[in-house]
Amino acid sequence: DAGVIQSPRHEVTEMGQEVTLRCKPISGHNSLFWYRQTMMRGLELLIYFNNNVPIDDSGMPEDRFSAKMPNASFSTLKIQPSEPRDSAVYFCASSPPSGRAGTGELFFGEGSRLTVL
Amino acid sequence: GEDVEQSLFLSVREGDSSVINCTYTDSSSTYLYWYKQEPGAGLQLLTYIFSNMDMKQDQRLTVLLNKKDKHLSLRIADTQTGDSAIYFCAEFSGNTGKLIFGQGTTLQVKP
Repeated sequence: DAGVIQSPRHEVTEMGQEVTLRCKPISGHNSLFWYRQTMMRGLELLIYFNNNVPIDDSGMPEDRFSAKMPNASFSTLKIQPSEPRDSAVYFCASSPPSGRAGTGELFFGEGSRLTVL
Repeated sequence: GEDVEQSLFLSVREGDSSVINCTYTDSSSTYLYWYKQEPGAGLQLLTYIFSNMDMKQDQRLTVLLNKKDKHLSLRIADTQTGDSAIYFCAEFSGNTGKLIFGQGTTLQVKP
């Protein structure tokens, strides 16, 4: 079975440009999470969806960040305009309705490494 | 608020045991987790423990939970070079409904 699929794997862009990161969760999973990982701040939860509905976006840094989940098989994280401090690895993760390990069993994609010059 | 703390780095020799420690704050956590991240990859669930257990063993992995002290540890027996990775402790917070990760412990295994 395919895991969580993220694209692009790497993106290099210039400050001020719009960046769109994409995620396809595992089929049958009903929760989707966007995380950001940096050396300085570690792993930060940006937003998560349950049944395509945003539940908690308190981790979204500022209005330049937005996330959507138009259907159960697709989500986007958009940064507009991008800034150098947005450089990080962005992970998407999904989880099933009832996992063997409780609601904390997340399946992560391989990440999108963003570099903003 | 909820917080999970880990030491940042551990270095061991191949064949030795590794012990990675973690403390957490949310006493309502029902499950506690260890995730592993290999270079250039996403996190993968390594093992987990239910909060009413003290210990869980899974092949070379032993998880110990001290609920009174809110302390979780992961022991890797006979550590191999392939175990080199970042290990994240995480708790599921019953208060916020979120999975809270620690900063991650980088395990370096020397041959």
